[in-house]
Amino acid sequence: EPEVTQTPSHQVTQMGQEVILRCVPISNHLYFYWYRQILGQKVEFLVSFYNNEISEKSEIFDDQFSVERPDGSNFTLKIRSTKLEDSAMYFCASSEAGLSTDTQYFGPGTRLTVL
Amino acid sequence: GNSVTQMEGPVTLSEEAFLTINCTYTATGYPSLFWYVQYPGEGLQLLLKATKADDKGSNKGFEATYRKETTSFHLEKGSVQVSDSAVYFCALSESRKLIFGAGTRLAVHP
Repeated sequence: EPEVTQTPSHQVTQMGQEVILRCVPISNHLYFYWYRQILGQKVEFLVSFYNNEISEKSEIFDDQFSVERPDGSNFTLKIRSTKLEDSAMYFCASSEAGLSTDTQYFGPGTRLTVL
Repeated sequence: GNSVTQMEGPVTLSEEAFLTINCTYTATGYPSLFWYVQYPGEGLQLLLKATKADDKGSNKGFEATYRKETTSFHLEKGSVQVSDSAVYFCALSESRKLIFGAGTRLAVHP
């Protein structure tokens, strides 16, 4: 069964450093998403991406964040200058289309720890 | 804005007990509703969904019915197993994003 994969599973970085989290969505899916879950809190939407453009983003997704689909398979989330409060589990997801009825399939997550 | 409220956990049950996890939502329009499950050390997996009022989603013995009149989508299972121990998230779709509840941890002991 096709699945979303994410690397690395755990990333430790120093405050102020840049990090890139990587995701490989399911191959025939067209919409891609990033969510995050700060320890003990809700899963929060960050951004959705379609046709090489951001289609929607949340207030959390400020200028420190960017997303890219650098090739036909990878989807990345970059945090330019990490802060302590960026420590969280980051989930990538994909769906066939962007309909509200569509199922979003999630990857296993990358745990980001900012020291 | 739209939101999801779940009952607080943890919920602790004995094997074969009946499970209910309450979920209510606030939404404009008619969102689709989802239950996701997160097993220890894993990502979010879709458990079931319902896309319109009175729809019942079901999977692996779990059920939930989309109740528009009470704005609810409660998760039920008639007889839980130890392997059902996990965190359960209720969510609704708003545009192209999911809005999640806080999650309810379920612990089932033999």
